[in-house]
Amino acid sequence: DAGVIQSPRHEVTEMGQEVTLRCKPISGHDYLFWYRQTMMRGLELLIYFNNNVPIDDSGMPEDRFSAKMPNASFSTLKIQPSEPRDSAVYFCASKTGTSFGTQYFGPGTRLTVL
Amino acid sequence: TQLLEQSPQFLSIQEGENLTVYCNSSSVFSSLQWYRQEPGEGPVLLVTVVTGGEVKKLKRLTFQFGDARKDSSLHITAAQPGDTGLYLCAGDTQGAQKLVFGQGTRLTINP
Repeated sequence: DAGVIQSPRHEVTEMGQEVTLRCKPISGHDYLFWYRQTMMRGLELLIYFNNNVPIDDSGMPEDRFSAKMPNASFSTLKIQPSEPRDSAVYFCASKTGTSFGTQYFGPGTRLTVL
Repeated sequence: TQLLEQSPQFLSIQEGENLTVYCNSSSVFSSLQWYRQEPGEGPVLLVTVVTGGEVKKLKRLTFQFGDARKDSSLHITAAQPGDTGLYLCAGDTQGAQKLVFGQGTRLTINP
């Protein structure tokens, strides 16, 4: 079975450009999470969805970041405009609604903003 | 804000040695999870501990949840090069729907 799919795997862009990261969760999973990982700050939760509805976006750094989940099989994380400090690895994860269930992570998108 | 502190942040040891990684907080968690992450990949769940004082074993790895559910440890016996990776602890207070991650312990096992 396919796991969580993320695209692109690598993205290099220039400051000020719009960046869109994509995620396809595991079929049947009710929850979808977006994380950002850097050496300085570790793995941080940005936002999570339950049944396509955003539940907690308190980790979204600022208004330049937005996330959508138009259906159960697709989510996007958009940064507009991008800045060099946004450079990081962005992970998407999904899980079922079971308490203490496993979060399954995608391979991540490595974003570099020049 | 709930914080999880892991120690040590970096550990490099020889194959065959034993090691322990710690994950501490001043907050109480309903569960504690341990993940391992390899370069270029996402974290992969190793274990979830739920009950205070709980001990779980996964081959040469032993995980323990503190009695007060504020801390956890990971002990590896006879470490092997294949154990190399970034180990992350993560805690939750809402049935694991929202996790707070520690900074991680980067473990290197030298042959």
